[in-house]
Amino acid sequence: GAVVSQHPSRVICKSGTSVKIECRSLDFQATTMFWYRQFPKQSLMLMATSNEGSKATYEQGVEKDKFLINHASLTLSTLTVTSAHPEDSSFYICSAQKQTTGLAGVPDTQYFGPGTRLTVL
Amino acid sequence: DAKTTQPPSMDCAEGRAANLPCNHSTISGNEYVYWYRQIHSQGPQYIIHGLKNNETNEMASLIITEDRKSSTLILPHATLRDTAVYYCIVLHRPYNTDKLIFGTGTRLQVFP
Repeated sequence: GAVVSQHPSRVICKSGTSVKIECRSLDFQATTMFWYRQFPKQSLMLMATSNEGSKATYEQGVEKDKFLINHASLTLSTLTVTSAHPEDSSFYICSAQKQTTGLAGVPDTQYFGPGTRLTVL
Repeated sequence: DAKTTQPPSMDCAEGRAANLPCNHSTISGNEYVYWYRQIHSQGPQYIIHGLKNNETNEMASLIITEDRKSSTLILPHATLRDTAVYYCIVLHRPYNTDKLIFGTGTRLQVFP
């Protein structure tokens, strides 16, 4: 299997506070994890690529100081939304890349978590 | 980045085959085509992927044209639980990082 979990599934916080979201690969190790954001009725938008033991790579327009990513182990990546504001309210989804063949040039498949719905009041 | 074009919505009767088309005319020779689906308020679910050959697994079949400019995802016997948004994605691989760039997808409605 390839199961990815996220915690919490839902969080409501006050404006100005920070929120941490965890992403875990339960039955495989993931050197690379990804974080996405999805607003209502829109598609997923890639925010950043998280590599175990190194700094995350952020997509253009995503503030790295606001969305702190830590990938401290091969099964856990965390996203912290700092000083959250109502416009940060969204569905945050992570994915973890599972090695499928190990062959050079063949990509590894990404498996997604169930998502975390953040509401900032 | 190779872009994909999908119809915004499709309907399918329960028990019938659902054929979801995707155009990716600018795809490069070593770029893979991936299909995911997203059921409302859940994370995307991996379905299938391919490079050149047709592929089949327990969920679906993927037919890629010989020129690789388009593909079709086939759900052989659609059920109500297959109602979802289906995303066709050409995997973007800058600097050995695999990036899934999601488009708007096809909203498949399976009806009884």
